[in-house]
Amino acid sequence: NAGVTQTPKFQVLKTGQSMTLQCAQDMNHNSMYWYRQDPGMGLRLIYYSASEGTTDKGEVPNGYNVSRLNKREFSLRLESAAPSQTSVYFCASSRSLKETQYFGPGTRLLVL
Amino acid sequence: AQSVTQPDIHITVSEGASLELRCNYSYGATPYLFWYVQSPGQGLQLLLKYFSGDTLVQGIKGFEAEFKRSQSSFNLRKPSVHWSDAAEYFCAVANQAGTALIFGKGTTLSVSS
Repeated sequence: NAGVTQTPKFQVLKTGQSMTLQCAQDMNHNSMYWYRQDPGMGLRLIYYSASEGTTDKGEVPNGYNVSRLNKREFSLRLESAAPSQTSVYFCASSRSLKETQYFGPGTRLLVL
Repeated sequence: AQSVTQPDIHITVSEGASLELRCNYSYGATPYLFWYVQSPGQGLQLLLKYFSGDTLVQGIKGFEAEFKRSQSSFNLRKPSVHWSDAAEYFCAVANQAGTALIFGKGTTLSVSS
């Protein structure tokens, strides 16, 4: 039982490049989330998916898109990376909204 | 709007001493409250949570937290700190729609020998 897994662990991009961050959970959870963590800011929600087939914007969605591929997988895409998107990205999942969220190990992204 | 305040950015405690990390929240209804811990370079691990019932909540690793509605607080405590407790601690509240956790900015705990 791996919980929440994220790939890659670390990525360096140049400004304007695109990439997709992958997240998968094996806990049969319905809800999944993407957060970013910046120094002194705590974690802020980018997008969430309450259930398979639905996605909604969080606090800081600009510059990102998401896809809930199936119940297990929730990907985050940066279409044209900017230095302001340098951050640590965390995926989380929960059985449903308002229930405990379990976090993956994070992806460190550096945009030059 | 909901918010979470962790007044202390950094705390240093001697090994074996007691610990209290402060958390204040702003929320209209009964909050769902959480404490997470993050070790360097790691993800977030849930320490404990409060949804309802007994206001003193026990968690993992010997931590506990007390929900005080009158003070809008959910402070984290541990009677005797170990060097391995050095980490960053985040308090969070679920937003009213339940669609996200609102996090505080975190408190970094250092443990001195």
